[in-house]
Amino acid sequence: EAEVAQSPRYKITEKSQAVAFWCDPISGHATLYWYRQILGQGPELLVQFQDESVVDDSQLPKDRFSAERLKGVDSTLKIQPAELGDSAMYLCASSQGSLEYFGPGTRLTVT
Amino acid sequence: QKEVEQDPGPLSVPEGAIVSLNCTYSNSAFQYFMWYRQYSRKGPELLMYTYSSGNKEDGRFTAQVDKSSKYISLFIRDSQPSDSATYLCAMSAAGETSGSRLTFGEGTQLTVNP
Repeated sequence: EAEVAQSPRYKITEKSQAVAFWCDPISGHATLYWYRQILGQGPELLVQFQDESVVDDSQLPKDRFSAERLKGVDSTLKIQPAELGDSAMYLCASSQGSLEYFGPGTRLTVT
Repeated sequence: QKEVEQDPGPLSVPEGAIVSLNCTYSNSAFQYFMWYRQYSRKGPELLMYTYSSGNKEDGRFTAQVDKSSKYISLFIRDSQPSDSATYLCAMSAAGETSGSRLTFGEGTQLTVNP
């Protein structure tokens, strides 16, 4: 069964450092999403791509976060510099239509 | 006020109980309604989805949507310890072939005790 792949699964970094997450969506899925999930809360959308184009980044803190999907397939989310409040699970999802399928997530801890 | 409200729980039930999980919403444009199950330290897993109002059944799980009341429910019959997880409701205004952002509830943490 096709799955969304993410790496790394866990990341510990010090504040003010740069950190990057990678996502490989299900093959053929044109839409890719990055979400942030704080413990005890539902996921919140950071950025949505349709192929290589950003269609919604209204909730992305652009002073420190960036995302790209250069060839319309895999994607990278970067944080620079990381802050203590960025500690969370970062989830990638992909969809063909309205059904979104999530990867296992990257748990980020900023110390 | 949040667009989607979900009772955070936690909810603890004995094995074999019927579980009812609920969400309310305020955006009348929502057409697609999903339930995700999330085990600890894992990504959300799509459990069920429904379009517009009505019921959908899949084994021990039944999803209900009442658009007139802006209320959705997930029922779990004969609950099992393996059902212990956080259940997230999610909604979208998109069409079947076009992607659109999901709006999630906060999640309800369920524990089924043997």
